[in-house]
Amino acid sequence: DIQMTQSPPSLSASLGDKVTITCQASQNINKYIAWYQQKPGKAPRLLIRYTSTLESGTPSRFSGSGSGRDYSFSISNVESEDIASYYCLQYVNLPYTFGAGTKLELK
Amino acid sequence: QVQLKESGPGLVQPSQTLSLTCTVSGFSLTSYHVSWVRQPPGKGLEWMGVIWTGGSTAYNSLLKSRLSISRDISKSQVFLKMNSLQTEDTATYYCARERGVVAPFDYWGQGVMVTVSS
Repeated sequence: DIQMTQSPPSLSASLGDKVTITCQASQNINKYIAWYQQKPGKAPRLLIRYTSTLESGTPSRFSGSGSGRDYSFSISNVESEDIASYYCLQYVNLPYTFGAGTKLELK
Repeated sequence: QVQLKESGPGLVQPSQTLSLTCTVSGFSLTSYHVSWVRQPPGKGLEWMGVIWTGGSTAYNSLLKSRLSISRDISKSQVFLKMNSLQTEDTATYYCARERGVVAPFDYWGQGVMVTVSS
């Protein structure tokens, strides 16, 4: 199974900050990583697929990059609506595996 | 409009079998795979298994001995059955559609909270 090591587990940011979350896969996942946002009591929402492709409706302040085993997800100019948990997902091999999540809080 | 909606009991007794239904609309089960994903309270997401467009299935090896996924295309429904439930199976259970490497889980149901308790 591919392990996804996501960090940090939590993040404290001020409005307008840039924040970055990383995921390292236990093997090359050929850019097949997606990023999800989850708010309390809600289902995850797909923000980015294939490393850097923004889903329709995803604000341009969200971005993703990486290759091989190492990937990152950033939010520039954090807004109050971005307060949520974020998860990475590798979808190149079964079982699909998620990172442990990053909880973004306001400082 | 794409929608998925899970339904099932909110409470299951230990050692019993969980049965959940995912009713979909706005797309065909022959065009999209449907997976089940669960999330224990306050914890992360775990992929459980998938039913492919062709009807075959694949399961997380951690759950394979207890899990079964099936579907009824005519009713646009996907079913999850998991036996020998324990307290650690308490979670919110989601169904989500996907197309493998073409498209990861892009639409999800709202989830159904299942508590395993006597």
